[in-house]
Amino acid sequence: DIVMTQTPLSLPVTPGEPASISCRSSQSLLNSDDGNIYVDWYLQKPGQSPQLLIHTLSYRASGVPDRFSGSESGADFTLKINRVEAEDVGLYYCMQRIEFPYSFGQGTKLEIK
Amino acid sequence: QITLKESGPTLVKPTQTLTLTCSFSGFSLSTTGVGVGWIRQPPGKALECLALIYWDDDRQYSPSLKSRLTITKDTSKNQVVLTMTDMDPMDTATYYCVHQYDDNAFDFWGHGTLVTVSS
Repeated sequence: DIVMTQTPLSLPVTPGEPASISCRSSQSLLNSDDGNIYVDWYLQKPGQSPQLLIHTLSYRASGVPDRFSGSESGADFTLKINRVEAEDVGLYYCMQRIEFPYSFGQGTKLEIK
Repeated sequence: QITLKESGPTLVKPTQTLTLTCSFSGFSLSTTGVGVGWIRQPPGKALECLALIYWDDDRQYSPSLKSRLTITKDTSKNQVVLTMTDMDPMDTATYYCVHQYDDNAFDFWGHGTLVTVSS
C-alpha cells in the first residue's frame, strides 16, 4: 500500500494568517497516461464527515473558497490556506488515488490560536 | 442532491459478522462511471478505505481485509451493502459510505455510523 505522511500533525494558526500542510507519498502519484497527480485533500470539521476540498492535486471542489489551494514541490504535496478563518478548524487529510486501496495521511489538526 | 446514509448495528460481538447498508439518493448505481464505497475511521485515528463497488459491478477491496469483506449493490433499492466477517474490537470505528464518479475523489459522504465491537 502507498503510505501518505503528513506534516505537521498539529497546526495552531492565528486568524488571518496563512497555513500550510505537507503530504509525502511513498510512491509516485503521477499518472503517466494523463499527466495528472492523484492526490486529494479533505477537511473533517469537528463532529462532521470529511468533505472534499481539493482533488487531483490542485482543483478546488465545488463551493470551496479560493483561499484554499493545492500544489506540489518535489516529492511533497501542499495544501495552503491564504488567510485562515475560524471555520477552517478541523482535521485535514491528504489521500492518494493513483491505486487502490486509496490511502490517507494521518491527519493534521488545525486549531485557532 | 446527492445524499448517502449508513445504517446497521451499533454494537456487535467479537467473531460476529457485521452488515452495513448504505442507502442513497440523487444518483443511480446503474449510471456509467458511478461508484459507492466504504471508509472507516477508528476513534482518534485516520481514515481507511475498505471497499468500492462500481456501476458495472466491478469491486475493489483493501488487500489487508479482502478475506473478510463483501460489497454488493441493489440498484433497484439504491443500496450498497458491506459485510465484514469475524469482527474484532480493533474494528471499532465510524463507518462512512461515499460516492465516487469516474474514479474521481469522494465528493459526497454519509454522516457515518459508529460500530463498537465488544463482548
